[in-house]
Amino acid sequence: QKEVEQNSGPLSVPEGAIASLNCTYSDRGSQSFFWYRQYSGKSPELIMSIYSNGDKEDGRFTAQLNKASQYVSLLIRDSQPSDSATYLCAVRRGGSYIPTFGRGTSLIVHP
Amino acid sequence: KAGVTQTPRYLIKTRGQQVTLSCSPISGHRSVSWYQQTPGQGLQFLFEYFSETQRNKGNFPGRFSGRQFSNSRSEMNVSTLELGDSALYLCASSLNYESNEQYFGPGTRLTVT
Repeated sequence: QKEVEQNSGPLSVPEGAIASLNCTYSDRGSQSFFWYRQYSGKSPELIMSIYSNGDKEDGRFTAQLNKASQYVSLLIRDSQPSDSATYLCAVRRGGSYIPTFGRGTSLIVHP
Repeated sequence: KAGVTQTPRYLIKTRGQQVTLSCSPISGHRSVSWYQQTPGQGLQFLFEYFSETQRNKGNFPGRFSGRQFSNSRSEMNVSTLELGDSALYLCASSLNYESNEQYFGPGTRLTVT
């Protein structure tokens, strides 16, 4: 049973649109949630972290967490072609320092 | 501040050989984690080191081992290489083992033939 699920995509959105990436997790003890961006051939780059229910905004990125429904999402406003990458969701349960990663969602932003 | 560095960046080995990969964390970071990334399995945790001690270990065979030095630099070793060990090996650095945020190095691309 996969612990962190993401739609593999690709998710294709036009430039300037809002891209919505979703992640669900199975462990109700999860307390820390992260979004990483990984360009093809590169390593993951941490772009957002969220620890409490609600929204967290950072520039064009908004992370949303709903622990009751066990999902976390990432919204990218005004999407740019440079946002085209694979987005990895990572979840860490309380008391553990080992994050579990989803397989990632491929995002394509076309001009 | 310099990021995480990993050497070598690319490596080609033959089945049965062994390999050692190196990772230097961000200055001041004391925790180093290692991951294996493959298209089929995604990003999988290998082990984590803090203060020269392995704190956590993933579900990998004993052929995979690591260590950390007093300057926080870390090495991982894979013995008796198998074709399935071909992967991108990523090192991640964090301030300490309780830190939430990890910063990845560029990775070492290992190909086993």
